[in-house]
Amino acid sequence: KAGVTQTPRYLIKTRGQQVTLSCSPISGHRSVSWYQQTPGQGLQFLFEYFSETQRNKGNFPGRFSGRQFSNSRSEMNVSTLELGDSALYLCASQGLAGSNEQFFGPGTRLTVL
Amino acid sequence: TQLLEQSPQFLSIQEGENLTVYCNSSSVFSSLQWYRQEPGEGPVLLVTVVTGGEVKKLKRLTFQFGDARKDSSLHITAAQPGDTGLYLCAGAKAAGNKLTFGGGTRVLVKP
Repeated sequence: KAGVTQTPRYLIKTRGQQVTLSCSPISGHRSVSWYQQTPGQGLQFLFEYFSETQRNKGNFPGRFSGRQFSNSRSEMNVSTLELGDSALYLCASQGLAGSNEQFFGPGTRLTVL
Repeated sequence: TQLLEQSPQFLSIQEGENLTVYCNSSSVFSSLQWYRQEPGEGPVLLVTVVTGGEVKKLKRLTFQFGDARKDSSLHITAAQPGDTGLYLCAGAKAAGNKLTFGGGTRVLVKP
């Protein structure tokens, strides 16, 4: 089974721009979660989608949004980028219903200049 | 303040030595997981513990969940350079709930 894939792997943007990141979960997995990882704050939960609906949400501003498609692929969008948004953005899919076990993709490294 | 506190933040040891990483909280978790992350990759799940007092072994790695389900430890016996990485604990308050991650422990095993 192919793992979780994320595109692009690296991205450089400037302040004020917006960005869209993509995630394809493991085949058959319906839950997709997004995390932001920075050296200072560690791994922080952004949101989770299940069957095209946002099921859980972390404490991030409204500039961070996401969506999930009928094939379980997910995208997250960050608008009006700030320098502090530079981070590794990780996507994880979850298989069993009621399981918290996350299967992570390799991440998208976003640098905001 | 992290809901899950990991200690130490950084550990550097020689190959063959033992090490223990701690994950502590004042909250009760229904399950706790340990992940290892290597540079340029996402975290990889090592183990999930769900029962207070539970001990799980994975080759040279031993994981323990505290009796009160508020803390956990990871012990590595005879560490090898391949054990180098960022070790993360993550807890869930209930099945299906979002995970809260600890700050991580960076382990360096020198040959």
